[in-house]
Amino acid sequence: DSGVTQTPKHLITATGQRVTLRCSPRSGDLSVYWYQQSLDQGLQFLIQYYNGEERAKGNILERFSAQQFPDLHSELNLSSLELGDSALYFCASSVAKGTRAGDYGYTFGSGTRLTVV
Amino acid sequence: QQQVKQSPQSLIVQKGGISIINCAYENTAFDYFPWYQQFPGKGPALLIAIRPDVSEKKEGRFTISFNKSAKQFSLHIMDSQPGDSATYFCAVTPLSEAAGNKLTFGGGTRVLVKP
Repeated sequence: DSGVTQTPKHLITATGQRVTLRCSPRSGDLSVYWYQQSLDQGLQFLIQYYNGEERAKGNILERFSAQQFPDLHSELNLSSLELGDSALYFCASSVAKGTRAGDYGYTFGSGTRLTVV
Repeated sequence: QQQVKQSPQSLIVQKGGISIINCAYENTAFDYFPWYQQFPGKGPALLIAIRPDVSEKKEGRFTISFNKSAKQFSLHIMDSQPGDSATYFCAVTPLSEAAGNKLTFGGGTRVLVKP
């Protein structure tokens, strides 16, 4: 157990629907990151939150949004789902805030497998 | 634009052999070069990492070699074991404050160690 908890583990939904993925970071970690892993795109950074505030953004679609709550858990909201959104979505957490990224490294959760049918 | 190119895509090695995975990056403003190991159904897990001020780092059977001038770094798995069968990802992080803490990953290498 990495200490990063993601729910649900699996999600099957129809095109056009909206889903929410949840992540609880490792105890003491202030940063939460969301990544998408697909066969054709590999592991792609979506967004980072640090202590409740958006810190960095990757190639996140406008249909996707995220937030980090005061208790530091985070949710990734995916709306108007398309078949191409089917992927593994990983949450990771770290202590660090920003520039000296490598000082603390990341801990990944086990992911949520999203299937859009 | 692919910032990190990883090769090979897959690798088969006999037990006891050496697995070598290579990564090349384009942007010189990277600060940290980790390798992650991922087993099926699991998230990536940090295996070993190196900073650009050293050319080699060894942890057990895993060694990173780093060539700053060539903008390349590689992972060597010595005495490969069946339990090492997994997908390995190299990654880089930038110095840019605006980039926060994001990791940019290579495409991954699937390693199969045959007993």
